[in-house]
Amino acid sequence: KAGVTQTPRYLIKTRGQQVTLSCSPISGHRSVSWYQQTPGQGLQFLFEYFSETQRNKGNFPGRFSGRQFSNSRSEMNVSTLELGDSALYLCASRRGAGETQYFGPGTRLLVL
Amino acid sequence: QQQVKQSPQSLIVQKGGISIINCAYENTAFDYFPWYQQFPGKGPALLIAIRPDVSEKKEGRFTISFNKSAKQFSLHIMDSQPGDSATYFCAASKGSGGSNYKLTFGKGTLLTVNP
Repeated sequence: KAGVTQTPRYLIKTRGQQVTLSCSPISGHRSVSWYQQTPGQGLQFLFEYFSETQRNKGNFPGRFSGRQFSNSRSEMNVSTLELGDSALYLCASRRGAGETQYFGPGTRLLVL
Repeated sequence: QQQVKQSPQSLIVQKGGISIINCAYENTAFDYFPWYQQFPGKGPALLIAIRPDVSEKKEGRFTISFNKSAKQFSLHIMDSQPGDSATYFCAASKGSGGSNYKLTFGKGTLLTVNP
């Protein structure tokens, strides 16, 4: 069974640009969560989607947004990029309530 | 506000030794406490998890000890191996059974097991 896949794996952008990251969950998983990982702040929760609805959101500015499609695939968008947005963005999926959350390999974003 | 505090930041252990990583939490509403292992270039992978109704859970060489009154939990890795060298994260969440599910992570512990 294929794991969580994320594309692209690496990305370089400049300040002020926007970026869209993609996540394909494990087949049958309806919940997708996004996390930001940085050396200073560690792993921080961004948001969770379940059946195309955002169910929970972390403490990030409105520049960070996401969506989920009917096939459970999810995208995360960051607008007006700042240097501090440089991070590893992780996607995690789970089948549903009470189930284990599985992480993808992440997309490493570098903002110059 | 850091809701889950993890220590130590780094740990060096000899092969065959015991690795111990500690975490403390503040929010008494947390009801699910997983540990994740992360290798360079990979996403975190679930190692073992515990709920507050038990004080200890063991899976192979990995054991979680949980102290509800002290709001602390720890990971013990017995007979540590070089292949265990990785970054370990403790985490906590509330409402794992439904909505409002999010993991709050500790800052991580870089474990190095020397051969």
